[in-house]
Amino acid sequence: DAKTTQPPSMDCAEGRAANLPCNHSTISGNEYVYWYRQIHSQGPQYIIHGLKNNETNEMASLIITEDRKSSTLILPHATLRDTAVYYCIAYNYGQNFVFGPGTRLSVLP
Amino acid sequence: DAGITQSPRHKVTETGTPVTLRCHQTENHRYMYWYRQDPGHGLRLIHYSYGVKDTDKGEVSDGYSVSRSKTEDFLLTLESATSSQTSVYFCAISEQGAETQYFGPGTRLLVL
Repeated sequence: DAKTTQPPSMDCAEGRAANLPCNHSTISGNEYVYWYRQIHSQGPQYIIHGLKNNETNEMASLIITEDRKSSTLILPHATLRDTAVYYCIAYNYGQNFVFGPGTRLSVLP
Repeated sequence: DAGITQSPRHKVTETGTPVTLRCHQTENHRYMYWYRQDPGHGLRLIHYSYGVKDTDKGEVSDGYSVSRSKTEDFLLTLESATSSQTSVYFCAISEQGAETQYFGPGTRLLVL
């Protein structure tokens, strides 16, 4: 499984875009990039995933670099409720999700 | 949210006692998982199931057993609880093993 590295913490002003980076330089061609978040004391919540192309859904956008060695999760208009730990996971079908320490995002009023 | 419930949500027990945690789903998903979450370790997979009566070990399976007698229920048993098993336990489900996992609300277990 490819290892991912994320900054331990980030701040973002309410209403602004939150851009959360993730490095996965050893990702293999068939590994997906998944993002989850965990709001205090709750179960992890699925956000988005992608393989090569950029993806967007109602929660966020995922930008994957052409070489697939890094990606960015974008929350376009962060709110206080987006304060959480965000996990970036390189996932190969047939293997298990590996959750690292993630990035603690604090959205500030 | 996916239809996943866990019971109990909180439990305090004593060392050496057996404990069973229940995960119940209403999504009819084939795969179910048990994770534990501890400070400094993230989420770690304990056991998973890929069908009724079909289970396999995860990363930290020692001291735990599981059972799945029907699609909707996945039980995690600590045969003789130890203080090192104090943790938050999360259940997850996925439609197939190769798909997105959806997590339950968690069970906080304290072993004294």
